[in-house]
Amino acid sequence: GAGVSQSPSNKVTEKGKDVELRCDPISGHTALYWYRQSLGQGLEFLIYFQGNSAPDKSGLPSDRFSAERTGGSVSTLTIQRTQQEDSAVYLCASSLYRLEEQYFGPGTRLTVT
Amino acid sequence: KQEVTQIPAALSVPEGENLVLNCSFTDSAIYNLQWFRQDPGKGLTSLLLIQSSQREQTSGRLNASLDKSSGRSTLYIAASQPGDSATYLCAVVLIPGNTGKLIFGQGTTLQVKP
Repeated sequence: GAGVSQSPSNKVTEKGKDVELRCDPISGHTALYWYRQSLGQGLEFLIYFQGNSAPDKSGLPSDRFSAERTGGSVSTLTIQRTQQEDSAVYLCASSLYRLEEQYFGPGTRLTVT
Repeated sequence: KQEVTQIPAALSVPEGENLVLNCSFTDSAIYNLQWFRQDPGKGLTSLLLIQSSQREQTSGRLNASLDKSSGRSTLYIAASQPGDSATYLCAVVLIPGNTGKLIFGQGTTLQVKP
């Protein structure tokens, strides 16, 4: 079956602009996670969705970051007023239920100039 | 705070060697541990998941062990091949919170020379 997909694969934006990153999880997976991978910080958790609700947003680095999930499926991560330190690869993962094996998408490489 | 450490950071071996990658974690209250592979410019591929009640898991030439009491896991790769060259990451899920979020180590970059 289809795996986790993310779009766009690459995004270059100017400092101060808003960006939206999309994640399509594996069909039927109830849990969805966003992570960020940067050179200095490694892989870090951002936010967790169970269905359409986000019980854990503890990893979002600032209030410029927000995310939503609709229909228990697609999720969008929005970064407002992007800064250069937001440059990273944003990875999405899904699992059938929380605490189970996570499957990752290919990521979106974000470059803020 | 849970910290996950992977040693070595990089490893280069000739083809055919058996090798061990190490992962240690400071808080033994984990729900499970997962090993991933990441190829350059790609996402993560899940290799093995070990529940906290398990001691090891095997998949083909890969064997992962878990010693929760000592805070250690190892990934054993038998008869390494050039196609095994990649970065290997371990990650744990903590029991408190129960959201399933992964806490990652920094990874070991493996190069297998033909």
